[in-house]
Amino acid sequence: NAGVTQTPKFRILKIGQSMTLQCTQDMNHNYMYWYRQDPGMGLKLIYYSVGAGITDKGEVPNGYNVSRSTTEDFPLRLELAAPSQTSVYFCASTMGRLSSGNTIYFGEGSWLTVV
Amino acid sequence: AQTVTQSQPEMSVQEAETVTLSCTYDTSESDYYLFWYKQPPSRQMILVIRQEAYKQQNATENRFSVNFQKAAKSFSLKISDSQLGDAAMYFCAYRILSGNKLVFGAGTILRVKS
Repeated sequence: NAGVTQTPKFRILKIGQSMTLQCTQDMNHNYMYWYRQDPGMGLKLIYYSVGAGITDKGEVPNGYNVSRSTTEDFPLRLELAAPSQTSVYFCASTMGRLSSGNTIYFGEGSWLTVV
Repeated sequence: AQTVTQSQPEMSVQEAETVTLSCTYDTSESDYYLFWYKQPPSRQMILVIRQEAYKQQNATENRFSVNFQKAAKSFSLKISDSQLGDAAMYFCAYRILSGNKLVFGAGTILRVKS
């Protein structure tokens, strides 16, 4: 009963370093999302994917890249970490389009600090 | 662009009492969905309740109910018989009917006093 799993849960990066946040879901969901949550703010959509091989930008894509080579996995890559990317990152998934009333399942979040 | 506003950064309620969290939104769409999510200290986002804009009847889930005022673009969450486990950050969220993107408010921290 894993649902959406994110790793790592916590990470400290130095400015300019790169890293990948991993996200995997075992529900055979087509749609996957990456959100970031800044302190005292709601979630902002970074990227999303409607299926393997297809990705699209959300509200705040700058500084990030994604790939979707399999249905299960949707990694988020930070190429040159900046302090502005200090945030909590959430991966999420749905079976189909949100517009069809599908429930969105969130992972537990990944805390990233860039110093 | 759609926006969601939660004007109460923090609320407190006594255990067993009732509390109402406010949410307003701005949209030019006529059909959409509204949600309340709970985010406990574990940070996982949990769906509390959902309302379809085309439904006049307010949604209810056990101790949680909403007051949906479409004309006023208001979507408040009422928690009855508050429990210590209700303490969390609560987010109001919106999405258009044909959309695939949730728009979140800034959240309201709910504290429950014993």
